[in-house]
Amino acid sequence: SAVISQKPSRDICQRGTSLTIQCQVDSQVTMMFWYRQQPGQSLTLIATANQGSEATYESGFVIDKFPISRPNLTFSTLTVSNMSPEDSSIYLCSVVRQGVDNEQFFGPGTRLTVL
Amino acid sequence: SQQGEEDPQALSIQEGENATMNCSYKTSINNLQWYRQNSGRGLVHLILIRSNEREKHSGRLRVTLDTSKKSSSLLITASRAADTASYFCVIAGGTSYGKLTFGQGTILTVHP
Repeated sequence: SAVISQKPSRDICQRGTSLTIQCQVDSQVTMMFWYRQQPGQSLTLIATANQGSEATYESGFVIDKFPISRPNLTFSTLTVSNMSPEDSSIYLCSVVRQGVDNEQFFGPGTRLTVL
Repeated sequence: SQQGEEDPQALSIQEGENATMNCSYKTSINNLQWYRQNSGRGLVHLILIRSNEREKHSGRLRVTLDTSKKSSSLLITASRAADTASYFCVIAGGTSYGKLTFGQGTILTVHP
């Protein structure tokens, strides 16, 4: 399985500020994704982080609010900009190990609380 | 993307009992994956079953797949308090791998 780490593991932030979450994978992966899990809810895909090009966002998510970087095949960042309490969630990065089965693995998540 | 729907929404059992969770879906699949999420923690990949497989085992886990009924089940035998978590089934199909749609999951509570 892929080993995925995220930083920070949790943070408490003031509204109006921004937080950048880092995701590091122990091997090169083509496909990397960012998900959000709001309190009491299931996971929702935010965007696909593309290496060398702009991220692909799902409906309801925009680059100005969630800018994403993917400088190489093992690393990505997600920034939550101009935060409000509604952004309080767990943010998870995920990778696909391409092969016959395309198994998907998730990082430990970043628990964000916005006051 | 495709969504699996878990049933029941919640399950409460005693330690040592078996727990069975079901998943239904509506489209064709390449594989089906089960994940576990402990309270406040990340998702753990439990097991993957391919569309041409009918049953798969991993430790105390047994997964079955019936593509004719578009359903899967996850059996946890001899449950432990540490098995308390939310369990999700996720469908992978076509070329949209990675863009997974999660259902609400089954919340399993194992009482010591």
